[in-house]
Amino acid sequence: EAQVTQNPRYLITVTGKKLTVTCSQNMNHEYMSWYRQDPGLGLRQIYYSMNVEVTDKGDVPEGYKVSRKEKRNFPLILESPSPNQTSLYFCASSESGNAIEPQHFGDGTRLSIL
Amino acid sequence: DQQVKQNSPSLSVQEGRISILNCDYTNSMFDYFLWYKKYPAEGPTFLISISSIKDKNEDGRFTVFLNKSAKHLSLHIVPSQPGDSAVYFCAATTRRTGGGNKLTFGTGTQLKVEL
Repeated sequence: EAQVTQNPRYLITVTGKKLTVTCSQNMNHEYMSWYRQDPGLGLRQIYYSMNVEVTDKGDVPEGYKVSRKEKRNFPLILESPSPNQTSLYFCASSESGNAIEPQHFGDGTRLSIL
Repeated sequence: DQQVKQNSPSLSVQEGRISILNCDYTNSMFDYFLWYKKYPAEGPTFLISISSIKDKNEDGRFTVFLNKSAKHLSLHIVPSQPGDSAVYFCAATTRRTGGGNKLTFGTGTQLKVEL
């Protein structure tokens, strides 16, 4: 089954404690992206990757890091999480990265930073 | 600066009636629009799209209308069913080759279809 898998699904942690949210896709997609969803703000792009070793900033990259060492994986790293990063996070992928192409989303990771 | 706006946070409709979800945009460079649907505890899934060269696109019970002069699009669901209850996101982009295009999402509208 074609899917985008995120882990963990839920995490409560404290300010400053480094965390990583993993994302893996099994569709051999070139493009992967991270979004955060906040009330009243919709989905905002954090980082995206067009291919292995190619990453770029989205609209709200501050406080986040990503890496793309393998085609299937695109982890999101919060080196020193802060309460304003409490949000619902989605990883997505698409075949080529052209935005007119439908993206496949994971089921989300709800992060609470205390 | 919210370039894609969905001014109705929620909408309630009776089963069998028409649901109309609205979306406005400000960036005249946008020329391709998509609707995504999201159920609780799941990620968004693609629903339907429309290019600016068209003013209507239909897929079963779902029709999207585009009014370029008004920078407005709407999603019509006819007839509405309880399983349509979800959050609907409008998204916009420009068509360019090479990929990496940015997709700008609206804030979402929660649709509730009541029996």
